[in-house]
Amino acid sequence: GAVVSQHPSRVICKSGTSVKIECRSLDFQATTMFWYRQFPKQSLMLMATSNEGSKATYEQGVEKDKFLINHASLTLSTLTVTSAHPEDSSFYICSAKPSGRKLFFGSGTQLSVL
Amino acid sequence: DQQVKQNSPSLSVQEGRISILNCDYTNSMFDYFLWYKKYPAEGPTFLISISSIKDKNEDGRFTVFLNKSAKHLSLHIVPSQPGDSAVYFCAASPSNTGNQFYFGTGTSLTVIP
Repeated sequence: GAVVSQHPSRVICKSGTSVKIECRSLDFQATTMFWYRQFPKQSLMLMATSNEGSKATYEQGVEKDKFLINHASLTLSTLTVTSAHPEDSSFYICSAKPSGRKLFFGSGTQLSVL
Repeated sequence: DQQVKQNSPSLSVQEGRISILNCDYTNSMFDYFLWYKKYPAEGPTFLISISSIKDKNEDGRFTVFLNKSAKHLSLHIVPSQPGDSAVYFCAASPSNTGNQFYFGTGTSLTVIP
């Protein structure tokens, strides 16, 4: 299957700082990538759809100014959590879809905001 | 509005027996369904998928069954192994857009040695 790489796998930061998470498609080009968030023992919540060369599409209730998404190339999308607060602590997962209808996920990033 | 539902949050099965994970959906526009397996602190990994033109798809120990009239799909794992212990998510994608995926809430499977 297709490989999606996500870094870092774990990050701890102080409240008020910004954190950047990278998502790369290693063996395919992805015009669209997706960012999910998962709270403990809950389902995957789609945060936004990242489109190469254009603005991301955010789901209802997701603050676009807090969660900045940049899809600068066909293989890289980044999610920046700005001015992080403890309530932003969560597991963030990116995904991408090569041609076809299967979605492939990165390994996730556990963000802990102190 | 949860369009994809997994009503069993957890399931325990003895090693070697069959595991059956269920998923229901409400949107008749869904025409492609996927199952993912997720370990803690890892991203979901793709397991198996099925198109609505089929009612069964098999891959090794994993078989997915689709009942369109009942809007129900199930994942069968046989024989179950301890390494299968994980959270399983079903997902559905509608025919009118290839980029939307709706996920269920997951079922935590424990395979007891």
